[in-house]
Amino acid sequence: QEQLVESGGNVVQPGRSLRLSCAASGFKFGNYGMHWVRQAPGQGLEWAAVIWYDGSNAYYGDSVKGRFTISRDNSKSLLYLEMNTLRVEDSAVYYCTREHYGRMDVWGQGTTVTVSS
Amino acid sequence: EIVMTQSPATLSVSPGERATLSCTASQSVSSNLAWYQQKPGQAPRLLIYGASTRATGIPARFSCSGSGTEFTLTISSLQSEDFAVYYCQQYSAWPRTFGQGTKVEIK
Repeated sequence: QEQLVESGGNVVQPGRSLRLSCAASGFKFGNYGMHWVRQAPGQGLEWAAVIWYDGSNAYYGDSVKGRFTISRDNSKSLLYLEMNTLRVEDSAVYYCTREHYGRMDVWGQGTTVTVSS
Repeated sequence: EIVMTQSPATLSVSPGERATLSCTASQSVSSNLAWYQQKPGQAPRLLIYGASTRATGIPARFSCSGSGTEFTLTISSLQSEDFAVYYCQQYSAWPRTFGQGTKVEIK
């Protein structure tokens, strides 16, 4: 079945970096755009970044622009989120999701990032 | 950025009753709107896309109407598994934006 599994979440100090990964299986990864969506504790969903199916383009939300980089390796069916200069307010569960004609139709279970001194 | 506003924030409904959730966009998103359901400790799940099309496996008691800026999600007869938080999301423009969510709780 179609599945996304995130990993890499951890507790880090403010100003440090972290890389999240998302492993896709059960579908042709290279055919789909992919997103990262995050959810701070007790809060709603916030879109963070998207990358085109072939990696040719990416967009970012204002809160992460310039600090986070989304990338992908279609040969390994892997999606990444490189997070630099982390802030306390970046603490959240990070979900990777598949885009299908705009809608996010497959979600991972999420990985937790805690930014704290 | 397109701001999505959901109302009410919390909806208290008895099992078997109808629930009506609203989502308003700050500018037209045409039919480029999706609804997601999220239960505690779980990832969101796609319910509706294209403003009115149910995703695979979603029961017929879930329906949605609207286009442009005003959308409504209706759950015709609430089952125990429907108590959750519901989010609308536009995919008409960048950045993608979500509403703040409506929590449907047991009355």
